[in-house]
Amino acid sequence: GQNIDQPTEMTATEGAIVQINCTYQTSGFNGLFWYQQHAGEAPTFLSYNVLDGLEEKGRFSSFLSRSKGYSYLLLKELQMKDSASYLCAVRDDGGATNKLIFGTGTLLAVQP
Amino acid sequence: DAGVIQSPRHEVTEMGQEVTLRCKPISGHDYLFWYRQTMMRGLELLIYFNNNVPIDDSGMPEDRFSAKMPNASFSTLKIQPSEPRDSAVYFCASSALGAIAKNIQYFGAGTRLSVL
Repeated sequence: GQNIDQPTEMTATEGAIVQINCTYQTSGFNGLFWYQQHAGEAPTFLSYNVLDGLEEKGRFSSFLSRSKGYSYLLLKELQMKDSASYLCAVRDDGGATNKLIFGTGTLLAVQP
Repeated sequence: DAGVIQSPRHEVTEMGQEVTLRCKPISGHDYLFWYRQTMMRGLELLIYFNNNVPIDDSGMPEDRFSAKMPNASFSTLKIQPSEPRDSAVYFCASSALGAIAKNIQYFGAGTRLSVL
């Protein structure tokens, strides 16, 4: 089957670093995406990994290990505006489809 | 570009009524996706199109749901008849293939549907 797991909720302090983990089991793999979704708003694209390793983009970094079916999103120098839900999604390329399978999201609360 | 445009932003209707949601993808994008998001089930893919052709509709819950894409700049998702359990936020997203575009999906603001 297809399954994406991420923690339901996390809490962190302003200025700190937080790591949000994602593990996946899918029939195919052609990339892993992280999206940010503020309450009442649409998901917005944060990062994309297709090869193993770390991708850095400002305060946000994303890591992928395809052999382990594992990714994480690292947020540095946390700000209050980073309070949001973070969605991990895998592009399932099994059967030449172009579907994104989304996890249920990790709700991050940044506290002063 | 204005991004993916959805209308209406909010829809309140009564059970049994027909509901039509609309989406205009980003110009030049050749993939269009319809999602439904609820607290219980998260973000679920309903159907997606490539070059206006439906490719995978396995996520469409039942025959009450239908989607069309008559041209590259417009798609509709119709629910007839609507039921209270259809209450959710419906998102449209679009993407483009290519090494630069990476087929990243960009989402519209969504339509919040309430069926009473």
